[in-house]
Amino acid sequence: AQSVAQPEDQVNVAEGNPLTVKCTYSVSGNPYLFWYVQYPNRGLQFLLKYITGDNLVKGSYGFEAEFNKSQTSFHLKKPSALVSDSALYFCAVRVTSNTGKLIFGQGTTLQVKP
Amino acid sequence: DTGVSQDPRHKITKRGQNVTFRCDPISEHNRLYWYRQTLGQGPEFLTYFQNEAQLEKSRLLSDRFSAERPKGSFSTLEIQRTEQGDSAMYLCASSTRVNTEAFFGQGTRLTVV
Repeated sequence: AQSVAQPEDQVNVAEGNPLTVKCTYSVSGNPYLFWYVQYPNRGLQFLLKYITGDNLVKGSYGFEAEFNKSQTSFHLKKPSALVSDSALYFCAVRVTSNTGKLIFGQGTTLQVKP
Repeated sequence: DTGVSQDPRHKITKRGQNVTFRCDPISEHNRLYWYRQTLGQGPEFLTYFQNEAQLEKSRLLSDRFSAERPKGSFSTLEIQRTEQGDSAMYLCASSTRVNTEAFFGQGTRLTVV
């Protein structure tokens, strides 16, 4: 079965420090991986995706993610966190079918303190 | 139109009533998805349309749930005889091709009292 795990319910970092939000996945075949961010009472905003190519993917708002096939991971990173980055982050994997539907992790709350 | 639009944003209903939500996808997107998100959880897939055809439904979508996408444009999600367990955020998303990212609307928050 295909699945996504985000092992941390919450990540706390100080403003200006680097941040990492972890994601591991389990899929059959080649993985298509996504990161979304959700602010309170809002829908999900797309940050970045890995389909193929370079293992380091750059996305919106200075975020990047590193695809690691051997560790089946797709961790989200940012070199210098901002207070405004505080939000709920979801990792997702596309199911290997023609529908394009996504399976989401349970989410990680990022808290950036001044 | 710069994004996916959902209406209403909030709905409070009494148990046993029927509710209907509307989603207007990005105009050139032929793929449309409905997801449900409960507190503290990630979104869960409910159903998928390609143009007007409903091609997949989750087992989460009980007989009380029905979705349509007439003419391959907007979509509606109806819940009949609502139950308290239906309380959740209902998210709509659309995309163009299978490997592209899906764009989400702001969701409809349903509260069943």
